Parts: sequence; structure tokens; C-alpha cells
Amino acid sequence: DVVLTQTPPTLSATIGQSVSISCRSSQSLLHSNGNTYLNWLLQRPGQPPQLLIYLVSRLESGVPNRFSGSGSGTDFTLKISGVEAEDLGVYYCVQSTHAPTFGAGTKLELK
Amino acid sequence: EVKLQQSGDELVRPGASVKMSCKASGYTFTDYAMHWVKQSPGQGLEWIGTIIPLIDTTSYNQKFKGKATLTADKSSNTAYMELSRLTSEDSAVYYCASSPFDYWGQGVMVTVSS
Repeated sequence: DVVLTQTPPTLSATIGQSVSISCRSSQSLLHSNGNTYLNWLLQRPGQPPQLLIYLVSRLESGVPNRFSGSGSGTDFTLKISGVEAEDLGVYYCVQSTHAPTFGAGTKLELK
Repeated sequence: EVKLQQSGDELVRPGASVKMSCKASGYTFTDYAMHWVKQSPGQGLEWIGTIIPLIDTTSYNQKFKGKATLTADKSSNTAYMELSRLTSEDSAVYYCASSPFDYWGQGVMVTVSS
């Protein structure tokens, strides 16, 4: 199974601060078709997860552009440029290049 | 508007089975695979399995083989998951999500208790 290691597990930020979350894979996520199936999700308390970023860096429709994704192969990053209160929750990376697996999550909280 | 409407919360006895549904609307049901995901209390997300409705093909996380059975009804645009031989370890919220994890149902809370 592909293991996704997310760091840090918890992130404390002030409003307006920029933060980054890392997601490292135990195997390359580059598919034979040339795509890299690595997404980022946000789960707010009591809510189902919602898609923020797909295919590493593509912003889902309706998601603010303060969110951005980057990376390749085994190393990926989600950046939030200017945290807002509505961004609080748990962030997960998920890969589906291989049998799907999720990172353990990063909890973003207010400092 | 894409929507995945899941069935209601369940309280079930240990050893029993439960079958939950996920009705899709707003897109062509057979165009995308459907994933099922488990979230135990206070824990992260765990992939259970995937069904491709167009060809009725399933794939499972090894951990859930024998526990979960995925089916789909193309005539009603509905995916189903049945969980068998329930124990307290199966108490969790279960989500359906269309591939590639872009749309999610609201979740079904399953509580296994006598």
C-alpha cells in the first residue's frame, strides 16, 4: 500500500498568516498516463470532506485562490496564502494513482 | 448541481448486517467510479473500496474484503454498501464520494450496540 505522510500533524496560525502542509508518498504518484492523482481535501468539524485541489495543483471550482498545490513524484505541498477563519479544520492529502490512500491529516487551528 | 444523498443513520446489533445507499444526481452516474470511505470517531479517513457502475467492477481495500460489499443500480443512479458481521469496530461514519473524491455524500453514522 502507498503510505502518505503528512506533516505537521497540527498547525497553529493567525489570521492572515501563510502556511504550508507537506504530503510525502512512499511511492511515486506519477501514473503511466502522465497524470499524478494527488488531491487535497478540507474537512471542517461535523462536515464531510470537500475537495480543494486535484491533480496536484488544479484548483477546484469555487475554492479561493489563496489555496495552491505543488509538487511531483513523491513530494507535495499545499499552501494557504493568508489563512482565514473559514479555513480551520483538518486537511488531508489523498492519492488514487494506486489503490487510494489518505494522509493522516493536518489540523489547522487558530493561534 | 451534483449531489450524493446518503441514507439515514443506523443503530444495529452486533453480528447483524447493514446496507446503506448513496443516490447520485446532477451528473451521469456511469461516467465516474464511486468510492466508499470510513471515518472512525476522532480518526482520519480510510478507503474501503470502489465500484465502477458502468461495468459493475469493484476493488476493495484488503482490510475490508469480506466485510464490505459494493453494488450499484444504474437504473436508479444509486450505489450501495453492505457491511456484514458488525462489531463495535465498525461504528463509524461512512461516506460515498465520486471519483476523484470531488463530491461527497453527507455521511451515514453507523452505531453498533446491543
